[in-house]
Amino acid sequence: AAGVIQSPRHLIKEKRETATLKCYPIPRHDTVYWYQQGPGQDPQFLISFYEKMQSDKGSIPDRFSAQQFSDYHSELNMSSLELGDSALYFCASSLRTNTDTQYFGPGTRLTVL
Amino acid sequence: SQQGEEDPQALSIQEGENATMNCSYKTSINNLQWYRQNSGRGLVHLILIRSNEREKHSGRLRVTLDTSKKSSSLLITASRAADTASYFCATDGGYQKVTFGIGTKLQVIP
Repeated sequence: AAGVIQSPRHLIKEKRETATLKCYPIPRHDTVYWYQQGPGQDPQFLISFYEKMQSDKGSIPDRFSAQQFSDYHSELNMSSLELGDSALYFCASSLRTNTDTQYFGPGTRLTVL
Repeated sequence: SQQGEEDPQALSIQEGENATMNCSYKTSINNLQWYRQNSGRGLVHLILIRSNEREKHSGRLRVTLDTSKKSSSLLITASRAADTASYFCATDGGYQKVTFGIGTKLQVIP
């Protein structure tokens, strides 16, 4: 079965650079979530989208923005990167009208040098 | 504030033994889910239990939920070395925004 796809899987950036992470949800899933997991930490909810509209917002810094496109894929844009942004970024998708289960992608490991 | 808090934070057992992990949460929930994460890898959904359910089974997994105590437990029976991972409980209080606990690191020694 198709799973959530994230790209790239690994990304290395310098401080103050920008990064764009992409997420392709499971086909027919209409909701996308972004999570950030720092080293040794639990995943923290950043933001979610339902039907291309932002549905909820968590601890997402103002330097970050995200959107969901007409094909339901989502992009997380991160600007003015800081060392503390180094983390695993997970995307998850679900079908709102079905179960509440979120299916997670493999994550993008961002390293900021 | 932390919604889900796993207990213990680290657990080491011999292969074949059972592993029990507990999770407590603070606010009311729609459902509670358990995830597994191998070191530095993605989160794998294990099982979901709804707020009106008390127990659920899936293979070697057994999850209980006590909403009066705001707690859940995950039991892995007949553990295997491949079960070595971190286990997170995650609560969904609405709008499907999932809040994770800090995780239990399970080591199963062959």
